Amino acid sequence: DIQMTQSPSSLSTSVGDRVTITCRASQTINNYLVWYQHKPGKAPKVLIYAASSLQSGVPSRFSGSASGTGFTLTISSLQPEDFATYYCQQTYSAPYTFGQGTKLEIK
Amino acid sequence: QVQLVESGGGVVQPGRSLRLSCAASGFTFSSYAIHWVRQAPGKGLEWVAVISYDGSSKYYADSVKGRFTISRDDSKNTVYLQMNSLRIEDTAVYYCAREDWGIAAAGTLEGTYNWFDPWGQGTLVTVSS
Repeated sequence: DIQMTQSPSSLSTSVGDRVTITCRASQTINNYLVWYQHKPGKAPKVLIYAASSLQSGVPSRFSGSASGTGFTLTISSLQPEDFATYYCQQTYSAPYTFGQGTKLEIK
Repeated sequence: QVQLVESGGGVVQPGRSLRLSCAASGFTFSSYAIHWVRQAPGKGLEWVAVISYDGSSKYYADSVKGRFTISRDDSKNTVYLQMNSLRIEDTAVYYCAREDWGIAAAGTLEGTYNWFDPWGQGTLVTVSS
């Protein structure tokens, strides 16, 4: 199985900050990497697919990048509605494993 | 609109069974694979199972293999998750999600990529004596 290692597990941040979350796959996944935002009591929402493609309707302050088996989600200027938990997921092969999650908290 | 609605959650004793349903609307159900994902209290997302668009392929997480069975009824636009021999550690909110796909260029790799969208709101399963 492919393991996804995500860091950090939590981040204390402020509105307007630039935030970077990283995810590393245990083997090549050919950029089959998805980023989700998850808020309590809500359904997860896809932000980025194919490592760097912005899902329709997602604000442009969200971006994704890839380098080999390492992936990054960047929020250029954090907004109040962005405080949530973020997950990476590989969709290369079953089981479609998730990273452990990164919780963004208000500083 | 495109929607998935889970049902069937509840409180069940260890060793007993429960069947979850995921009712779909707003899209051509028979063209899509459907996944189940769960989130235990205070934990992250864990992928559970998938059934292909035509029901011919099914995959399971090791943690549920041999105990859970995924199936679909295209006449009812519904996917089921039959959960047997339930354990305390199966306590979680269970989400179903549609596997969507599209063409993208990821660096130099152009191809068909997939993601989970939409997701349902989830149904809570509590395994407790």
